[in-house]
Amino acid sequence: EPEVTQTPSHQVTQMGQEVILRCVPISNHLYFYWYRQILGQKVEFLVSFYNNEISEKSEIFDDQFSVERPDGSNFTLKIRSTKLEDSAMYFCASIPLYGSRSYEQYFGPGTRLTVT
Amino acid sequence: KNEVEQSPQNLTAQEGEFITINCSYSVGISALHWLQQHPGGGIVSLFMLSSGKKKHGRLIATINIQEKHSSLHITASHPRDSAVYICAVIRGEYGNKLVFGAGTILRVKS
Repeated sequence: EPEVTQTPSHQVTQMGQEVILRCVPISNHLYFYWYRQILGQKVEFLVSFYNNEISEKSEIFDDQFSVERPDGSNFTLKIRSTKLEDSAMYFCASIPLYGSRSYEQYFGPGTRLTVT
Repeated sequence: KNEVEQSPQNLTAQEGEFITINCSYSVGISALHWLQQHPGGGIVSLFMLSSGKKKHGRLIATINIQEKHSSLHITASHPRDSAVYICAVIRGEYGNKLVFGAGTILRVKS
């Protein structure tokens, strides 16, 4: 069965460093998301991406964050200058097609980011 | 006020028991997801529903759109069902982003 993959599974970085989290969505999916979950808290929406541009972003997704689809298969989340509070599990998700109906979202296994 | 509320927050059951987890939401939605998160952190979609009832194996999900309420039932619970169960809603049509509840931590004892 097709699946969303994410790399790395765990990233440890120092405060102020840049990190790039990578996701490979399911191949025929066209709409992508990043969510994050701080330890002990609920999952929160960060950003959605369709047709090579951001479709929607949350208040969390400030200028320190960016997303891109550099090569038609990978979908990346970059944090330019990490803060301690960026430590969280980051999930990528995808759906087949954006439209007027709702689609089941397929989640990747997550990347645990630890900022020290 | 949270847009999605789940109850209970924690649930401990004996193997074989019938389990119900509830989800209430306060906004208009186009669909609702029930998700399962295991201790390793990965999230798996169990159901997406916008009306009525769905069944998969020992899992049953129901939704009442008028009452803005959904339930997830587990019949003949087993220790391997131990996980966090999360309700998440899709608000309206645009973007299909999910708004998550806080989750219910289920532990099934043998």
